[in-house]
Amino acid sequence: GQQVMQIPQYQHVQEGEDFTTYCNSSTTLSNIQWYKQRPGGHPVFLIQLVKSGEVKKQKRLTFQFGEAKKNSSLHITATQTTDVGTYFCAGRSGNTGKLIFGQGTTLQVKP
Amino acid sequence: EAGVAQSPRYKIIEKRQSVAFWCNPISGHATLYWYQQILGQGPKLLIQFQNNGVVDDSQLPKDRFSAERLKGVDSTLKIQPAKLEDSAVYLCASSSVRGTNEQFFGPGTRLTVL
Repeated sequence: GQQVMQIPQYQHVQEGEDFTTYCNSSTTLSNIQWYKQRPGGHPVFLIQLVKSGEVKKQKRLTFQFGEAKKNSSLHITATQTTDVGTYFCAGRSGNTGKLIFGQGTTLQVKP
Repeated sequence: EAGVAQSPRYKIIEKRQSVAFWCNPISGHATLYWYQQILGQGPKLLIQFQNNGVVDDSQLPKDRFSAERLKGVDSTLKIQPAKLEDSAVYLCASSSVRGTNEQFFGPGTRLTVL
């Protein structure tokens, strides 16, 4: 079945450093969503990417969708302590329409 | 607008006992999801409803888990009997059929099975 893998599983950075998490799907996706889950909280929607090669920015966050629509990345520039949490990608299968979550990348930011 | 409501927030039971979780989605959202999130993992879809019909329950362990959304609004998820490996956070989410299908999650119910 469809699998969505994220790397790395954990990342510790010094405040001000950049951070990137990568998401790879075993199948072609119709779209991909990104969510953030703060410690003890619930996932909160960040963005959806639909088009091949799409790039979207939200302040210090840059989201990319691969040309083949099988991978995606989230890049945070100059991390802040408020960026702490787990970032999940969720890929929607082009065949089944199912949304499958990756296992997440947990970001720790040292002040 | 009010968010997705879930209750209880925490539940501790012994194995082989039964437990039920309740979810009230955002008003007007036709699609409701139940997810299981084991510590350190991403949410795993258990069941998806569109109004009061089941869209996908392929990952629901039907020998012990059941869910209903009788009037197409709120929903209950039941586990009977519970096993140790059911310890997890159970998240309910809802989405509108319009727009991006962004899912709005509730605070979750943390279940501990002893």
